[in-house]
Amino acid sequence: SAVISQKPSRDICQRGTSLTIQCQVDSQVTMMFWYRQQPGQSLTLIATANQGSEATYESGFVIDKFPISRPNLTFSTLTVSNMSPEDSSIYLCSSNGQFFGPGTRLTVL
Amino acid sequence: AQSVSQHNHHVILSEAASLELGCNYSYGGTVNLFWYVQYPGQHLQLLLKYFSGDPLVKGIKGFEAEFIKSKFSFNLRKPSVQWSDTAEYFCAVNGAGGTSYGKLTFGQGTILTVHP
Repeated sequence: SAVISQKPSRDICQRGTSLTIQCQVDSQVTMMFWYRQQPGQSLTLIATANQGSEATYESGFVIDKFPISRPNLTFSTLTVSNMSPEDSSIYLCSSNGQFFGPGTRLTVL
Repeated sequence: AQSVSQHNHHVILSEAASLELGCNYSYGGTVNLFWYVQYPGQHLQLLLKYFSGDPLVKGIKGFEAEFIKSKFSFNLRKPSVQWSDTAEYFCAVNGAGGTSYGKLTFGQGTILTVHP
């Protein structure tokens, strides 16, 4: 199984600012995904992070709000842009559709 | 579009009771099925998964699940729960191929509370 780390583990941010979340996998993986878990809810897929090309976003999520980078097969970043309190969630990355990182708990004031 | 339904939002049991958490899915193709557990304050962990083969799969901590294709179900079971099983359990599905591969759709989650 892959070991996935995320940074930061948590953050408190002001409205209108942006936060970049990093995801590191301990081995090369074909597919990486980003999910959101809003308070008291289940996980929702934001996008697939494609190595060497643009991310593929799910319905309801757009690149301007959640830009994603995937420079290589072990690393990806998700940026939450122009944040509002509604963006307060746990953001998780996943490898190969099975394993999850510990998540980044974001609170937007 | 695929969907996952978990029957119970909150289940309360006493230690040593048997557990069955229901999960039904909707998907127009071959699927991979997963159960995840999230202990209080901890991150999501994979309990077990089904890709193919024996429809009865065994996972960690004494959990098992049975894939019944005709019923589109993947129920989670444990014969005797412990207080340490208190957690939230998520059923998830992804398409076994094509553009859906790797993209998990999660159920709403079931909170299990086990009383000593």
